[in-house]
Amino acid sequence: GDSVTQMEGPVTLSEEAFLTINCTYTATGYPSLFWYVQYPGEGLQLLLKATKADDKGSNKGFEATYRKETTSFHLEKGSVQVSDSAVYFCAPRQGGSEKLVFGKGTKLTVNP
Amino acid sequence: GAVVSQHPSRVICKSGTSVKIECRSLDFQATTMFWYRQFPKQSLMLMATSNEGSKATYEQGVEKDKFLINHASLTLSTLTVTSAHPEDSSFYICSAMTASLTYEQYFGPGTRLTVT
Repeated sequence: GDSVTQMEGPVTLSEEAFLTINCTYTATGYPSLFWYVQYPGEGLQLLLKATKADDKGSNKGFEATYRKETTSFHLEKGSVQVSDSAVYFCAPRQGGSEKLVFGKGTKLTVNP
Repeated sequence: GAVVSQHPSRVICKSGTSVKIECRSLDFQATTMFWYRQFPKQSLMLMATSNEGSKATYEQGVEKDKFLINHASLTLSTLTVTSAHPEDSSFYICSAMTASLTYEQYFGPGTRLTVT
């Protein structure tokens, strides 16, 4: 079945540091790819998405590019803030399916 | 827009009792709702998918008689944990989806269940 491998956390950075959270997936066909963020004590929020190869999703300074050749969807941000501290989940959705397959999540802590 | 609420946000119940968790789509009609379970420091595990007016589809290994799901309207789905035990303690999250919102899942804030 489909699966996703996400960079192990936790990740601790100083404010304004560069962030990369790696995500690779296995799926048949052409999945849509999503990054969700979960702030402490809250549910998941969609951060960004990409629906086809070479698409770049972006939101709140975060970016991720759908790389079909490497089956990856790495999350990046050039300058993190304390308010970005959260758990980030990579989740592919197989084409034609409603279901998301979640990675294990990467906890990010940004210190002032 | 696309707000999903859950009630209660936290619940403590005694072993052997049942507890109901509600999931509501506040500003859209959800044709499909999903129920997830999240263990500490772990990913979300899909428990079941429910479509309005029909029986829920449970994932492998999820006891349908223990986790009763009802999706009686386009804005409400309920999860009832029957005869709860301490091992059922977890964070339960629902999500809702509809065609008019490009089939994206919108998540509720979650319900923390503690069974004593």
